[in-house]
Amino acid sequence: AAGVIQSPRHLIKEKRETATLKCYPIPRHDTVYWYQQGPGQDPQFLISFYEKMQSDKGSIPDRFSAQQFSDYHSELNMSSLELGDSALYFCASSPQRAEQFFGPGTRLTVL
Amino acid sequence: KQEVTQIPAALSVPEGENLVLNCSFTDSAIYNLQWFRQDPGKGLTSLLLIQSSQREQTSGRLNASLDKSSGRSTLYIAASQPGDSATYLCAVNVLPGTYKYIFGTGTRLKVLA
Repeated sequence: AAGVIQSPRHLIKEKRETATLKCYPIPRHDTVYWYQQGPGQDPQFLISFYEKMQSDKGSIPDRFSAQQFSDYHSELNMSSLELGDSALYFCASSPQRAEQFFGPGTRLTVL
Repeated sequence: KQEVTQIPAALSVPEGENLVLNCSFTDSAIYNLQWFRQDPGKGLTSLLLIQSSQREQTSGRLNASLDKSSGRSTLYIAASQPGDSATYLCAVNVLPGTYKYIFGTGTRLKVLA
């Protein structure tokens, strides 16, 4: 069965650089969620999209932005990266806001 | 504001033991509760999903129960194995709203051979 695809799987950036993370949901899933998991912490909700519209926003810094495109894939854009942005970023998709299926995550390291 | 707590934070048991992991949430208005397993530095593996109308779900050696009124869920692991060593996370959907997950603090399990 198709799963959620995230790219890249690993990303290394310098401080103040920009990063773009991509998420490809399971086909026919209309909702995408982004979560951030810092070292030793539980995942924290960042932002979600339902039918290509932003549906909820959590503790997402103003330096971050995201969108969902017409093909339902989503991108998380992160600018002016800080050391504290180093984390595992998960994308999840769900059909009509039901069970969430998580991708493998993107590990971002900011040096 | 929904808060999810897991007890114990860490657990070390000998192989073969049956064990129970606990998850508590402060607001009973949830849509569903999901248990995950996470190996160090890896992604989230879904173990069991319990809808709010259900009382329990079973998969192999795993059994999860849900008591919405008391704000509790338990994950029962039978005949534990060293391969079960991982961090176990529970997560609840928040209602009303967008069904985002609020994750618990996790239980780090180590099963000794």
